[in-house]
Amino acid sequence: DTGVSQNPRHKITKRGQNVTFRCDPISEHNRLYWYRQTLGQGPEFLTYFQNEAQLEKSRLLSDRFSAERPKGSFSTLEIQRTEQGDSAMYLCASSSPPGQPQHFGDGTRLSIL
Amino acid sequence: AQKVTQAQTEISVVEKEDVTLDCVYETRDTTYYLFWYKQPPSGELVFLIRRNSFDEQNEISGRYSWNFQKSTSSFNFTITASQVVDSAVYFCALSEPAQGAQKLVFGQGTRLTINP
Repeated sequence: DTGVSQNPRHKITKRGQNVTFRCDPISEHNRLYWYRQTLGQGPEFLTYFQNEAQLEKSRLLSDRFSAERPKGSFSTLEIQRTEQGDSAMYLCASSSPPGQPQHFGDGTRLSIL
Repeated sequence: AQKVTQAQTEISVVEKEDVTLDCVYETRDTTYYLFWYKQPPSGELVFLIRRNSFDEQNEISGRYSWNFQKSTSSFNFTITASQVVDSAVYFCALSEPAQGAQKLVFGQGTRLTINP
């Protein structure tokens, strides 16, 4: 069990640029989640995959956001035309059977200049 | 609708004091799970405990204990003989299996500072 891995740890970009983050879940976990955490707040759910299928998306996930999980392994989260309000920590988590705890990666901190 | 409230934004105590972090939740489901996570200054969320709605037994793990009371919709967390290493932000979270994704709904967190 090597844990959930996220890359990059930090991303600084100019407003309007596109960014992509990667998450590698714990290998035996078939469920993968993305959350966003802003300063002083708890994480907020963005989207969820079971294997390769994206089964739920939050209303927080605007059209500029897209997530994929090809082959049910790693996942990517892309933000197009970034805005100041996108600055946050993006967290990935994975889990296995229902009700089991989600294990989180270290997150990717996005800063929009 | 799901909601988790952690009314204590910040708590500061002196080392070796006991401290209790409060968590109140709202749900319409009869089956749900409650969690506590710790987020130290380094940023990663560390899982501490999971409790399902049918198990109201309190739990103790070393200096940590949890008090689950369905009657008051509370799931409080107590640290006994606190240590400086306990300083972190602590989050209470709720998930509802019937809702499909079993996403976690987090409270706003309680920042705990243990002073030497």
